[in-house]
Amino acid sequence: AQSVTQPDIHITVSEGASLELRCNYSYGATPYLFWYVQSPGQGLQLLLKYFSGDTLVQGIKGFEAEFKRSQSSFNLRKPSVHWSDAAEYFCAVGRRGSQGNLIFGKGTKLSVKP
Amino acid sequence: SQTIHQWPATLVQPVGSPLSLECTVEGTSNPNLYWYRQAAGRGLQLLFYSVGIGQISSEVPQNLSASRPQDRQFILSSKKLLLSDSGFYLCAWSVAGGTYEQYFGPGTRLTVT
Repeated sequence: AQSVTQPDIHITVSEGASLELRCNYSYGATPYLFWYVQSPGQGLQLLLKYFSGDTLVQGIKGFEAEFKRSQSSFNLRKPSVHWSDAAEYFCAVGRRGSQGNLIFGKGTKLSVKP
Repeated sequence: SQTIHQWPATLVQPVGSPLSLECTVEGTSNPNLYWYRQAAGRGLQLLFYSVGIGQISSEVPQNLSASRPQDRQFILSSKKLLLSDSGFYLCAWSVAGGTYEQYFGPGTRLTVT
């Protein structure tokens, strides 16, 4: 069965430091891959997506993610974190041929120290 | 551009009372529609999805039901709420036959007392 693992429940980084949030998935073929961000009490906002092609994808707010097939990973990165990046981040996987359903990881909460 | 609305934003209901949460999408036709529940520390749980009017698929047997009376309207209901129904409910849409990215509404915070 498909699954998505975000191994880090909570990460704290200093403002201006680099960030990497981990995501591993379990799926036999190349899935559709997504990262979402959620501020407290808000809905989820799509940061970026991977379908095919270039394995390094750029998203909004200065985020990028790299698809590594050999590691079944899709880690999210940002070179310099801003205080406004504090939020919860969700990785999601879509199985090609399904009816558009996504499997979400349990999320990583990011705190930013001044 | 497309917009998704949910209401109410917050709701406090006693155990045993009925529930109706509404979601509407503007600016697109024949979207796939989804209801999720989010409980603290447990990520997103897909409750229902719909690929067309009157077509509802349930992912988790529970106290809730969903309906899609119009193309861009999705309703989540319950006849009798349980304490365990408390949570943050999110509606989302995606393009039918597209590349699966889902776009989320602002959510409804439901507290069952």
